[in-house]
Amino acid sequence: KAGVTQTPRYLIKTRGQQVTLSCSPISGHRSVSWYQQTPGQGLQFLFEYFSETQRNKGNFPGRFSGRQFSNSRSEMNVSTLELGDSALYLCASSSQGLNTEAFFGQGTRLTVV
Amino acid sequence: AQSVAQPEDQVNVAEGNPLTVKCTYSVSGNPYLFWYVQYPNRGLQFLLKYITGDNLVKGSYGFEAEFNKSQTSFHLKKPSALVSDSALYFCAVRAPMDSNYQLIWGAGTKLIIKP
Repeated sequence: KAGVTQTPRYLIKTRGQQVTLSCSPISGHRSVSWYQQTPGQGLQFLFEYFSETQRNKGNFPGRFSGRQFSNSRSEMNVSTLELGDSALYLCASSSQGLNTEAFFGQGTRLTVV
Repeated sequence: AQSVAQPEDQVNVAEGNPLTVKCTYSVSGNPYLFWYVQYPNRGLQFLLKYITGDNLVKGSYGFEAEFNKSQTSFHLKKPSALVSDSALYFCAVRAPMDSNYQLIWGAGTKLIIKP
């Protein structure tokens, strides 16, 4: 069974640009969550999608958005990039159920210059 | 509000010694608890979980965790530490009363095993 795939692995963008990150979940998983990880702030929850609907949302500005497609693949978009957006962005997928664990991708390392 | 606390930013242990990484939680109802490990520049890997039943849960790489309801804790343990256990460890909880199924994460604990 293929794991969670995130593309691209590394990305360098300029301030003011926008970026789109992609996540393909494990086959059969309908929940996809996104996290931002920085050395100083730890693991910060961005949002979660389930069956194409946003189910949970973290405390991030509107520049951060996401969506999920009918095949459960998800994208997140960050507009008007700021230097502080430099981080490792992690995607996790899980199946339905409170007792199920999440499976993480390798992450996308975004650097804003 | 639901929360998870990992009171130690860093834990240092000598190789071969037992290790404990602490986690306490605050949720309504009986929680579902998880431990994950993250190696440098990698995603998180699932270690183990407590759902119900035996309070001692065994997981990957020789790790185990003990659920203590009265102390609302779920500490991660290993009898004999390896240098390769050095990594970042995260505790997470999901509340059964939360209809949104949200996972609440601790801040992480850096585990350093010295040879």
